[in-house]
Amino acid sequence: DADVTQTPRNRITKTGKRIMLECSQTKGHDRMYWYRQDPGLGLRLIYYSFDVKDINKGEISDGYSVSRQAQAKFSLSLESAIPNQTALYFCATSGLREADEQFFGPGTRLTVL
Amino acid sequence: GQNIDQPTEMTATEGAIVQINCTYQTSGFNGLFWYQQHAGEAPTFLSYNVLDGLEEKGRFSSFLSRSKGYSYLLLKELQMKDSASYLCAVNDGDYKLSFGAGTTVTVRA
Repeated sequence: DADVTQTPRNRITKTGKRIMLECSQTKGHDRMYWYRQDPGLGLRLIYYSFDVKDINKGEISDGYSVSRQAQAKFSLSLESAIPNQTALYFCATSGLREADEQFFGPGTRLTVL
Repeated sequence: GQNIDQPTEMTATEGAIVQINCTYQTSGFNGLFWYQQHAGEAPTFLSYNVLDGLEEKGRFSSFLSRSKGYSYLLLKELQMKDSASYLCAVNDGDYKLSFGAGTTVTVRA
């Protein structure tokens, strides 16, 4: 079984709709991250959480919110989706050391019409 | 802000060597990562450098010069399966990664 899972894997929605993307991990990591990836722009950090009570904004948090329901679960919400939020979204987890790699989920492809 | 630059695309022949350069200017530095990402898939970890010098791992090697803000990833004995994007990422000192836009490597037969 995959260590980091994301649901849904694909989603098409309309402008103005509320959308939640979910991430679960079985690696036992405290640190979790949400990124979006756009062609030519690379991965950009939306929000990150270092434990259940810690939530931090990343580079591009406007229009997004998150919830850390448990150590293993970190959800990303788009309160009112807009077309420029069309992107590939990745969740990632990591251990406590600076040298620890981030492990990425399979991604959610979101299209906002 | 963080500035991480790498070439957009590179093409090489099967069996050859390719070097992907990455230059960075960041507010902090606690190591540099390289990830591989096949089209439509998640990034996967390749290497981590925090000290100056070369780290070798099989066909892949990564080099870091902190004083120059420079790293490269060297792919030797290229195989078709190495066709992918290669992402340079800097740990900015707060357990967060800043990523470059990625370099797409195409391996031709």
